[in-house]
Amino acid sequence: QVQLQESGPGLMKPSQTLSLTCTVSGGSISSGSYFWTWIRQPAGKGLEWIGHISPSGSTNYKPSLKSRVNMSVDTSKNQFSLKLSSVTAADTAVYYCAREVAGWGHFDYWGQGSLVTVTS
Amino acid sequence: DIVMTQSPLSLPVIPGEPASISCRSSQSLLHSDGYNYLGWYLQKPGQSPQVLIYLASIRASGVPDRFSGSGSGTDFTLKINRVEAEDVGVYYCMQALQTPRTFGRGTRLEIK
Repeated sequence: QVQLQESGPGLMKPSQTLSLTCTVSGGSISSGSYFWTWIRQPAGKGLEWIGHISPSGSTNYKPSLKSRVNMSVDTSKNQFSLKLSSVTAADTAVYYCAREVAGWGHFDYWGQGSLVTVTS
Repeated sequence: DIVMTQSPLSLPVIPGEPASISCRSSQSLLHSDGYNYLGWYLQKPGQSPQVLIYLASIRASGVPDRFSGSGSGTDFTLKINRVEAEDVGVYYCMQALQTPRTFGRGTRLEIK
């Protein structure tokens, strides 16, 4: 059974860089059949796709976040990561990592989510 | 970006009764391969979202057959045959034809 687990800072100050890691177990991140994805959800609001990365490191980001986002993959640790720079209170959200089935376009596995709060 | 519009935003349902949620996209989700790249997700209270339907009408593994998806192009529907108490939560449609992937605002299903 594939499992995804986010880990992150919890509390941050404005202007800092958010770093989140998603550890994948029960399956190899190197499989070419998936996109490894970050999605966020502000409290009481809907879901926002941030972007995804392929096992080869090819990325695709939401245009409005592109200037602040960087994703990477570490196949040796079976992990992928998100960096979001210059955070503000508007970046406060639960951040989910998820696996998208390439070619079918759905997220079949999700992490439990990691709450990130940006406050001065 | 493709805009996804769901209705209704709130859906009170009596257990055992059917329910239906509509999702409309700002452009066609029909790919040249013949599939509509539309998925439905349910986020139960306090949980991560889970996939119900993908490619507009294919039920994901383990999803009860009371859930069904239909539609093509820009208009899609999620139907629940007989709502059960465990079906409460927020339902989202999402397009996977293009990046950025985009979600509808969600439909909150509650039990009357």
